[in-house]
Amino acid sequence: GPKVLQIPSHQIIDMGQMVTLNCDPVSNHLYFYWYKQILGQQMEFLVNFYNGKVMEKSKLFKDQFSVERPDGSYFTLKIQPTALEDSAVYFCASSLVRASAETLYFGSGTRLTVL
Amino acid sequence: GEQVEQLPSILRVQEGSSASINCTYENSASNYFPWYKQEPGENPKLIIDIRSNMERKQTQGLIVLLDKKAKRFSLHITDTQPGDSAMYFCAARLSGSFNKLTFGAGTRLAVCP
Repeated sequence: GPKVLQIPSHQIIDMGQMVTLNCDPVSNHLYFYWYKQILGQQMEFLVNFYNGKVMEKSKLFKDQFSVERPDGSYFTLKIQPTALEDSAVYFCASSLVRASAETLYFGSGTRLTVL
Repeated sequence: GEQVEQLPSILRVQEGSSASINCTYENSASNYFPWYKQEPGENPKLIIDIRSNMERKQTQGLIVLLDKKAKRFSLHITDTQPGDSAMYFCAARLSGSFNKLTFGAGTRLAVCP
């Protein structure tokens, strides 16, 4: 089936550094999402993105977070600067449209550890 | 916004028996309820979903029920197999949102031979 690829699968960085998480969505999909999952907890919505713009974001999407997809390349989540509480698994997802029952396809996640 | 409660957090069943997972939601404006299965180290995969204009849906050994009045929906896995062992997440989507899903905390299902 359709695949969303996330690079890298693991990332370890020092607090205060910048990190960029990369997502290669399904090729013809138009809507992109980031979700955050702290160990042992549920996935929580961070942001969705369409046509070069953030459409919705949650309170977890702090000012230090930003997303972009320059020229159809990777959909990225940048955190600058990182904090200890940013340690989590970040899942990227994509969908073709935003119809009422459109399937979200998730990547395998990037495990971010902030030391 | 939306909040989703999911129970139980851990479920152990014998192979061949059925397994049931229950979720409740708060916002009556939610209109779409998918279920995702996640195996260790893998991405969450959609296994079945139900829209608010339905009360029941069945596919390949999976049944989902939706009770809008009670704001409750459930997943029933019939004739469980060891391959069904995984984390299961329910989710709800508010009408009008851009596919912003609110997930439950997950159920770890273990099917014992």
